[in-house]
Amino acid sequence: AQTVTQSQPEMSVQEAETVTLSCTYDTSENNYYLFWYKQPPSRQMILVIRQEAYKQQNATENRFSVNFQKAAKSFSLKISDSQLGDTAMYFCAFMKRRGGAQKLVFGQGTRLTINP
Amino acid sequence: EAQVTQNPRYLITVTGKKLTVTCSQNMNHEYMSWYRQDPGLGLRQIYYSMNVEVTDKGDVPEGYKVSRKEKRNFPLILESPSPNQTSLYFCASSSNRDSLNGYTFGSGTRLTVV
Repeated sequence: AQTVTQSQPEMSVQEAETVTLSCTYDTSENNYYLFWYKQPPSRQMILVIRQEAYKQQNATENRFSVNFQKAAKSFSLKISDSQLGDTAMYFCAFMKRRGGAQKLVFGQGTRLTINP
Repeated sequence: EAQVTQNPRYLITVTGKKLTVTCSQNMNHEYMSWYRQDPGLGLRQIYYSMNVEVTDKGDVPEGYKVSRKEKRNFPLILESPSPNQTSLYFCASSSNRDSLNGYTFGSGTRLTVV
């Protein structure tokens, strides 16, 4: 079974700073997807960024980037030039890559607060 | 607009009173799933459905039922709710052809059982 661990329950940084959220996972699969979801106070689940395990290049979406270390089973999220609107709960998630949709396995979440 | 519609948004009920949380998607997705979110535990899968009339248990199925009579609908049924089912619930869907996009989530149902 796959597990996802987020070891930082809460983080807090000043606006415009860079912050990195940690995520590790455990799997025997070789092909899979990794995701970061954002959940603001509205509680909507928003896909922030995704990574295909067979791609060595780290995914980037504007101010959001990941550091994917497949051998170490690590998938951290870096937010550059943080903004007040980045305040949210962030979840790391894993999905096996098989034929068709699969279960998303989530970590415990990290509550991120951006202070003015 | 492509979306997953989940109702109600908030629900307070008493122990033992049967309730149904509805979920509908307009994207023709094959895969649908229910999750519950609890502090410190993240989101855990309750039930999922690979297609019409095909459902299976997730990680925390006790006390819940689901059905998938139509492709677009996937209701969650609590036959006899108990206080330990107080939680935030999410319905989600995904296409078999586009797993890289992850899931589309509903807006959540905050359930309180007293």
